[in-house]
Amino acid sequence: RKEVEQDPGPFNVPEGATVAFNCTYSNSASQSFFWYRQDCRKEPKLLMSVYSSGNEDGRFTAQLNRASQYISLLIRDSKLSDSATYLCVVNERSQGNLIFGKGTKLSVKP
Amino acid sequence: DTGVSQNPRHKITKRGQNVTFRCDPISEHNRLYWYRQTLGQGPEFLTYFQNEAQLEKSRLLSDRFSAERPKGSFSTLEIQRTEQGDSAMYLCASSPYLNTEAFFGQGTRLTVV
Repeated sequence: RKEVEQDPGPFNVPEGATVAFNCTYSNSASQSFFWYRQDCRKEPKLLMSVYSSGNEDGRFTAQLNRASQYISLLIRDSKLSDSATYLCVVNERSQGNLIFGKGTKLSVKP
Repeated sequence: DTGVSQNPRHKITKRGQNVTFRCDPISEHNRLYWYRQTLGQGPEFLTYFQNEAQLEKSRLLSDRFSAERPKGSFSTLEIQRTEQGDSAMYLCASSPYLNTEAFFGQGTRLTVV
């Protein structure tokens, strides 16, 4: 089983739509969780950290469900500029490496 | 620019040649990571350092790959006897502490011909 799994998409949505991505992780010892955004042929950039209580940053909302070992990202009122690949990232307390999912591709159309 | 810096940005090499990439992390970040990414895949972990100590290496990292961070500042990744399968984007990232987010450089795109 892959350590971090994401639906690869692509998700094709119209502007203004709400879209949700899910991510599951296999190691229950995982402690830190992040969503990164990656534009085509660019480096990944941090979108937001994911906290146990859930957190929101403008149009973006992240949720963590430790019991089910999944993380979600909700994007409201999608913009054309949201088109990118969204990477789910997990880190264990005892280890140093960040484990990335394969990413979910989002395409927002006019 | 105080972000993570990687050099070169692009490298084309013939199969069998050795290549070396450099990464300068954000100042005072003691953790430094190397990842490899191919088209359509997420970044795959290769190795990471805490200061000058290399704490973990992926099973993906064959004996042809070696990384150093001699003074706990910049790092180098060397690939010996390159193969076509080594063609990928090599990404470096740094973070200040364990369990915090990492910041990436723009990557070095390697093409082995």
